[in-house]
Amino acid sequence: QVQLVQSGAEVKEPGASVKVSCKALGYSIINHYMHWVRQAPGQGLEWMGVINPSGTSTSYAQKLQGRVAMTRDTSTSTLYMELSSLTSEDTAVYYCARDQSTEGTWWFDPWGQGSLVIVSS
Amino acid sequence: SSELTQDPAASVALGQTVRITCQGDNFRTYYASWYQQKPGQAPVLVVYGKNNRPAGIPDRFSGSRSGNTASLAITGAQAEDEADYYCKSRGSSGNYWVFGGGTKLTVL
Repeated sequence: QVQLVQSGAEVKEPGASVKVSCKALGYSIINHYMHWVRQAPGQGLEWMGVINPSGTSTSYAQKLQGRVAMTRDTSTSTLYMELSSLTSEDTAVYYCARDQSTEGTWWFDPWGQGSLVIVSS
Repeated sequence: SSELTQDPAASVALGQTVRITCQGDNFRTYYASWYQQKPGQAPVLVVYGKNNRPAGIPDRFSGSRSGNTASLAITGAQAEDEADYYCKSRGSSGNYWVFGGGTKLTVL
């Protein structure tokens, strides 16, 4: 069964960094692009960025450029998303999701269960 | 403002049909994918592409596209369909993706 299992909740102080992990079970991460999406409390979904199957290329949302880094470790089938210079506006649930596509359409399936990050002093 | 525009809320009587729309120039080129999210849960894919459903999604969910509008229809809505629904598309001008603001569906 294809599944994404994410790391647990974190509490960080403003200005710190957080690194969230996402372990892929039941399939090989070298065959798929992977996305990260976040959701602030009571808000909608926000796309953060994507990493290619080989881990050699990334594309990030413009508002996060310079603060976010997405990496992958194929030996453990684990993806990572690190966000630096945290502020209270980064308090959110962070999701990883597997990309699938065919001509003219892209879809995210499955999603991880989400990792809550709270930024508070 | 978002590239994709959804009505914030919609309602449907039990057993009736509801259509949730998502507007954006992206859909003149790309198809939408649609996600259902219930409180405290991760989003779940319900429809993608021209009109495709993942395994396990009931056939009362369907998708369509016309001009700059993508639509998700629920035919014969059930109580368990009460949730937030999000559309998504590839960005219109680059290697990025965008979500609509979401529609909160109430089943009466």
